[in-house]
Amino acid sequence: EVQLMESGGGLVQPGGSLRLSCAASGFTFRGFWMHWVRQVPGKGLEWVSRISSDGSSTTYADSVKGRFTISRDNAKNTLYLQMNSLRAEDTAVYFCARDSSSSDWFDPWGQGTLVTVSS
Amino acid sequence: ETVMTQSPATLSVSPGERVTLSCRASQSIRSNLAWYQQKPGQAPRLLIYAASIRATATPARFSGSGSGTDFTLTISILQSEDFAVYHCQQYNNWPYSFGQGTKLEIK
Repeated sequence: EVQLMESGGGLVQPGGSLRLSCAASGFTFRGFWMHWVRQVPGKGLEWVSRISSDGSSTTYADSVKGRFTISRDNAKNTLYLQMNSLRAEDTAVYFCARDSSSSDWFDPWGQGTLVTVSS
Repeated sequence: ETVMTQSPATLSVSPGERVTLSCRASQSIRSNLAWYQQKPGQAPRLLIYAASIRATATPARFSGSGSGTDFTLTISILQSEDFAVYHCQQYNNWPYSFGQGTKLEIK
């Protein structure tokens, strides 16, 4: 069974840092691009970042560019999101999601991890 | 940026009814549209991709249509398990973007 499991969320003060992890299983992780998508509770979804299957190419939403870094360890089947200079508006549930093999829809998604930025 | 607008924001319907949800793009996205279902406390689940192709395990009562800027998701006979929030996502223009969601609630 294809599974994604996020961890690392929590409460952090404005200006602080947090690293999220997404453990993948049930598929050949190194063969897929991966994404992070976030959702303010009760609101819509916002794409955050993506990384190529070998980690050589990364892209970010303007809202996080320069503050967030996506990376992956294909030997550990794990995706990461390093979040620095966190702001209140970064408060959200963060989902990791697998890219389709042929285009950029997302399937499946992890269950999400909540990041709360507050003093 | 391509803005995705879903309507209505909330739809109150009864089980057994037929329902149509709308998603409109601010510019052409060809057929590069996906629909997701999200239940409370859960992750989104892919329902439809390429505007009209059902994902594996998506029941046949779900159908998608449209191209260019106007898209619809139709549920032919609403089941109790279909009450959820539905999101559309375009993956034609960078950055990828989602609609704000349509919540289906029980009348």
